[in-house]
Amino acid sequence: DTGVSQDPRHKITKRGQNVTFRCDPISEHNRLYWYRQTLGQGPEFLTYFQNEAQLEKSRLLSDRFSAERPKGSFSTLEIQRTEQGDSAMYLCASSLGRGSVNTQYFGPGTRLTVL
Amino acid sequence: KQEVTQIPAALSVPEGENLVLNCSFTDSAIYNLQWFRQDPGKGLTSLLLIQSSQREQTSGRLNASLDKSSGRSTLYIAASQPGDSATYLCAVPTGANNLFFGTGTRLTVIP
Repeated sequence: DTGVSQDPRHKITKRGQNVTFRCDPISEHNRLYWYRQTLGQGPEFLTYFQNEAQLEKSRLLSDRFSAERPKGSFSTLEIQRTEQGDSAMYLCASSLGRGSVNTQYFGPGTRLTVL
Repeated sequence: KQEVTQIPAALSVPEGENLVLNCSFTDSAIYNLQWFRQDPGKGLTSLLLIQSSQREQTSGRLNASLDKSSGRSTLYIAASQPGDSATYLCAVPTGANNLFFGTGTRLTVIP
């Protein structure tokens, strides 16, 4: 399978715990994005990487959130001291980023439930 | 600030019917618009991307149009099938690279 993969698919945690999600983009894609989606809403942008550089962060990305993309390949998204409001689907996408043709391809998502 | 609206929020049609989903956006300074499909509890599947220089894009039974001047896009689905049941999302690029999504239209095709 050469699509975007995410791990784990589901995560249940207790409030206050730390969680980490992983995203493996399509191999030749240099751009990687994280989005968050709550029930009944469209995805909301969190952060964007070009290769290993984190170039853009949304104001939704509070200090408890951190994302990395070492070596410009896979990426991790960590949430510290989780809160119930963090419960959502976390989606990763990647793209080739060539000019205006920047189709983003999404992974299956990680569903986080904070109890 | 960009706003993306999708109407209707939900739609039920009998199998075989042709249908149109609507997407409107407030900031017409976009260089493309993308339509996605999302099955319940799943990620997004890209359906069509229309560049600002195009007016239409077709893939199989799907046809998407873009009218930047009026801030509208439509997704036309011909001869709907139960397998088309899903949420359809439109998205426009905002900032340097990220996508701004509408809230989607939940489509149910009744056999």
